[in-house]
This record gives sequence, structure tokens and C-alpha cells, in this order.
Amino acid sequence: DAGVIQSPRHEVTEMGQEVTLRCKPISGHNSLFWYRQTMMRGLELLIYFNNNVPIDDSGMPEDRFSAKMPNASFSTLKIQPSEPRDSAVYFCASSPGRPLSGNTIYFGEGSWLTVV
Amino acid sequence: GQQLNQSPQSMFIQEGEDVSMNCTSSSIFNTWLWYKQDPGEGPVLLIALYKAGELTSNGRLTAQFGITRKDSFLNISASIPSDVGIYFCAGQLEAGGTSYGKLTFGQGTILTVHP
Repeated sequence: DAGVIQSPRHEVTEMGQEVTLRCKPISGHNSLFWYRQTMMRGLELLIYFNNNVPIDDSGMPEDRFSAKMPNASFSTLKIQPSEPRDSAVYFCASSPGRPLSGNTIYFGEGSWLTVV
Repeated sequence: GQQLNQSPQSMFIQEGEDVSMNCTSSSIFNTWLWYKQDPGEGPVLLIALYKAGELTSNGRLTAQFGITRKDSFLNISASIPSDVGIYFCAGQLEAGGTSYGKLTFGQGTILTVHP
């Protein structure tokens, strides 16, 4: 079975450019998460969707970040304009239900973003 | 919000040695999870613990949910080179009220195993 699919795997962009990261969750999963991983701050939850509706976006750093989930099989995380401090690995993850005990969260392989 | 303190931050061991790492929290969690992240990959769930005092094994891995519900440890016995990676603990509250079961992750333990 296909896991969580993310694209691009690697992106290098110049400061000020728009970055769009894409995610396809596991089929049938109705919870989707975007995480950011850095050496300094570890794994941070950016936003959580359930049934395509944003439930918790308290981790979104600032207005430059936006996330959408137009349907059950696709989500985007957009950064506009990008800054060097946005350089990180961005993970998309999905779960077969709400993040309750017993509902495993499955992570994608990550999108490695470098902003120069 | 909740914070998890995971230690040690890194470990360098010889193949065959046992490894122990732990997480402590200032808050109570209802579930403790342990993930492993291989280089260039996303975290993968190793063990899930649902009850205080629970001791669970998965092959050479053993994890325990602390009695106080504020801590957990992970042991790896007879380490092998493929155990290399970053190990994360994560705590989870039960969904209900204002909580939806959000995971809080520790900072990770970087494990290096020398052949």
C-alpha cells in the first residue's frame, strides 16, 4: 500500500519566493497533519485537519504560512514569501481517524526545504 | 503547554551493547509513543503504551509507561548497526474537552552504533 506521499522531496529556493509543498495522505485516512522539523525546535505541529477541516492551526508560525485541504486526498502547505529561517524538513502525516489512542499517525518521507 | 524532556540527546555505542533512553514530562499523558526516524525518512511508530505501568516489548525493544504517567523509557537490547537513527518519544492526551489527542514530541535521541 502507498504511504503518505509528499512532493517535492527537496527544494532550494531564494528568499522571497513562494514555496508550495504537497501531500497525498493514505487513502481512507481522514486526519492530516503538517509538521516542521528543525534541529533547534524538533518536531512541531503546524496544522491538523480532520475531514478536510482545519481543527488546530495554532502552530502555524505566521501569516506567511497557509495550508489548505481541498479534498480528502490532497493538501498543500504554502510559504509566501519564504525566509531563510523557514529552512527545515516539513512532514505531512495522516491517521485513520482522530488522533486518539490506537490511531497510529503515519508520516511521509518529508520535504527538505532550503531557503537561501 | 506540555513539554517533554528526552535524554540523552545522543549516544555512541558499540554493536551488541544495550541502550536506554527516557522521557519525562511536567504533565500527565494518557498515551506514550516511541518513534524511530531513519536518516532521510519520516518517523515510524515503534511502540505504543496505553496504561500506567504498562511494559511492552517489540523484538529487542522494550518500553514502559511510568506509574506517575509523566514518564516513559525505551530500552534496546543487543544493538545492531541498523538501530542507528533518531528516537522520539511522544505523549498524547485523551481526546475530550478542548483536547483532540494532540501529540507532543520529545527532542529526540540520536543513536550511533559502531560495528
